[in-house]
Amino acid sequence: AAGVIQSPRHLIKEKRETATLKCYPIPRHDTVYWYQQGPGQDPQFLISFYEKMQSDKGSIPDRFSAQQFSDYHSELNMSSLELGDSALYFCASSLYLASGGEIRSTDTQYFGPGTRLTVL
Amino acid sequence: AQSVTQLGSHVSVSEGALVLLRCNYSSSVPPYLFWYVQYPNQGLQLLLKYTSAATLVKGINGFEAEFKKSETSFHLTKPSAHMSDAAEYFCAVKVPGKLQFGAGTQVVVTP
Repeated sequence: AAGVIQSPRHLIKEKRETATLKCYPIPRHDTVYWYQQGPGQDPQFLISFYEKMQSDKGSIPDRFSAQQFSDYHSELNMSSLELGDSALYFCASSLYLASGGEIRSTDTQYFGPGTRLTVL
Repeated sequence: AQSVTQLGSHVSVSEGALVLLRCNYSSSVPPYLFWYVQYPNQGLQLLLKYTSAATLVKGINGFEAEFKKSETSFHLTKPSAHMSDAAEYFCAVKVPGKLQFGAGTQVVVTP
């Protein structure tokens, strides 16, 4: 079965540079989530999109922005990178609204392999 | 607010022994609970989920978890540990718009 695809898998940047992370959800999934996992920590929710509209926002710095495109892929843009931004960034996708129009209240999130960002 | 607490940041088990990972939840409404596993340098893989259909949930790789409302628990078990079970395990609760994760439990399996 197709899974969530993230690119790149690894990224090395200098301080104050910008980075763009891409996420391709499971086909037909309508919701995308971004999480940040620092070293030795649990994943922290950043932001989510449902049908190309931002649906929820967590502890995402103002230096970060994200969007979901018409093909449902999502990009996380990170500017003025800081050393503390070094982390594993996960994208997850879920199906909120099934084809029959019923809401899938469990909307299980399936995670991608992550992008490891290192800021030097 | 809904949250989960994982007891024990590190667990060491012998190969073939019982694996027990503890997770307690805090929720004023029936929760949706999940267990994810993260192998080194990899993403989060769904092990199993509780969605109120059955209190005993069977997942992949021989894992199962039992939802106990009286104890507000959702502990993960596997009867016989395998070396390939060495990983980090996260309990999570679905809150509006996102998953709230526990701090994780690192499992080490010794021969």
